[in-house]
Amino acid sequence: NAGVMQNPRHLVRRRGQEARLRCSPMKGHSHVYWYRQLPEEGLKFMVYLQKENIIDESGMPKERFSAEFPKEGPSILRIQQVVRGDSAAYFCASSIQDNEQFFGPGTRLTVL
Amino acid sequence: QKEVEQNSGPLSVPEGAIASLNCTYSDRGSQSFFWYRQYSGKSPELIMSIYSNGDKEDGRFTAQLNKASQYVSLLIRDSQPSDSATYLCAVIPSGTSYGKLTFGQGTILTVHP
Repeated sequence: NAGVMQNPRHLVRRRGQEARLRCSPMKGHSHVYWYRQLPEEGLKFMVYLQKENIIDESGMPKERFSAEFPKEGPSILRIQQVVRGDSAAYFCASSIQDNEQFFGPGTRLTVL
Repeated sequence: QKEVEQNSGPLSVPEGAIASLNCTYSDRGSQSFFWYRQYSGKSPELIMSIYSNGDKEDGRFTAQLNKASQYVSLLIRDSQPSDSATYLCAVIPSGTSYGKLTFGQGTILTVHP
C-alpha cells in the first residue's frame, strides 16, 4: 500500500531554469497540499488542490509558481525561472477530506 | 504574535523519562490540532490528532488539548533514543473547511541513553 509518492527526490537546477515537482497522493485520497520548508524555517502552506481544481493558493508566491492536479496523473508544482531563494524542501501531503494529512518524502530543490 | 508557538527547545531528556512538548496557538476558533515528528532530512510523520478538550492516548504518546487556554501538548512516556527528532505542532485555523495546516517552528527533542 504505497504512501504519498514524490519525484524527483532531489533536483538541481541552475538559476533561470524550470523545476517540475510531482506528487501522487495516497490511494483514495483526493485532496493534495503542497508545503515548503526553507532551511532553518518551519513548514509553510503553499497550495491546496482537488482534482482539476485549485482550492486555495494563498501561500504560493504570485509569480513563477503554479500548481495543478489534473484529472489523470500526479499533481505538479511548477517553478519557472528558479532563483537561489527557491532552494528548499517541497513536501506534498494528501488526505481523504479535511482530515489527517500524510506527507510524501519530499523533493529537495537546489538552485545553483 | 506567531500563530502557532512551540517551546523553544532544544529539549533533552534521559532515556525512560517523560518528554513534554508544548504548543500555544493564537486563533481561538481553531478546532483541529496535530502533532508531527520529523527526523533530520526526512518528511513529517503524523503522530497524533486531537479535536476535543482533554487527553488522547496512543501507546506511549498522549496529546492534551485545552481550548480555553489555547494550549496543546504532547507527552512521550518512556522516552527512547529513537524518539530524538523535531516535533511539529500544527493547527487548522478557524474559517477553513479544509486542512490548511499552520505549523509551529518545531521543538528539537534529544533522548540520551
